[in-house]
Amino acid sequence: NAGVTQTPKFQVLKTGQSMTLQCAQDMNHNSMYWYRQDPGMGLRLIYYSASEGTTDKGEVPNGYNVSRLNKREFSLRLESAAPSQTSVYFCASSQGPITGELFFGEGSRLTVL
Amino acid sequence: AQKITQTQPGMFVQEKEAVTLDCTYDTSDPSYGLFWYKQPSSGEMIFLIYQGSYDQQNATEGRYSLNFQKARKSANLVISASQLGDSAMYFCAMRESPGTGRRALTFGSGTRLQVQP
Repeated sequence: NAGVTQTPKFQVLKTGQSMTLQCAQDMNHNSMYWYRQDPGMGLRLIYYSASEGTTDKGEVPNGYNVSRLNKREFSLRLESAAPSQTSVYFCASSQGPITGELFFGEGSRLTVL
Repeated sequence: AQKITQTQPGMFVQEKEAVTLDCTYDTSDPSYGLFWYKQPSSGEMIFLIYQGSYDQQNATEGRYSLNFQKARKSANLVISASQLGDSAMYFCAMRESPGTGRRALTFGSGTRLQVQP
């Protein structure tokens, strides 16, 4: 019962370093998402992928890139990390057109020094 | 304008009592969905309940119910018989425009609920 798996769970970076957050789901869902969570601001959408081969920007895409590698995997890349990108990142997936809830990974805590 | 507004940053409730967490939303789409999620201190996001804009009855799931008032654009979560394990952050969220293929949820800022023994 893996569901949505994110790696790594914790990461510390220095300003300017790059890294990729990996996400995989085993529920055969079409849609996948990356959110970031900051104190007092709820979850904000960074990028989403409605289906394999498509990606679109969300509310806060600046400084990030994504790749929908296949139906299962959706990665988030920080090319040049900044302290403002210190956050908890959640990957999620969903299937239903409207009623389908999002299934979330456990989150990845990223600190940029 | 905020699409989802949760005006209560924090709430306290006594164990075994009922509590209502407020959520108002803003949309011009006739078809939308409203969700509530729970985030305990361990950090995972747990889906609680869903209400569709065309649903005639308020959604219920065990001790959770959603008080849906469409004209007022509110979707309050009611937790009956609170338990210590209900202490967590609660997020209201909305999905709009499913026909466009975008199925992302927009989240409110959350309400931290603390259940006191």
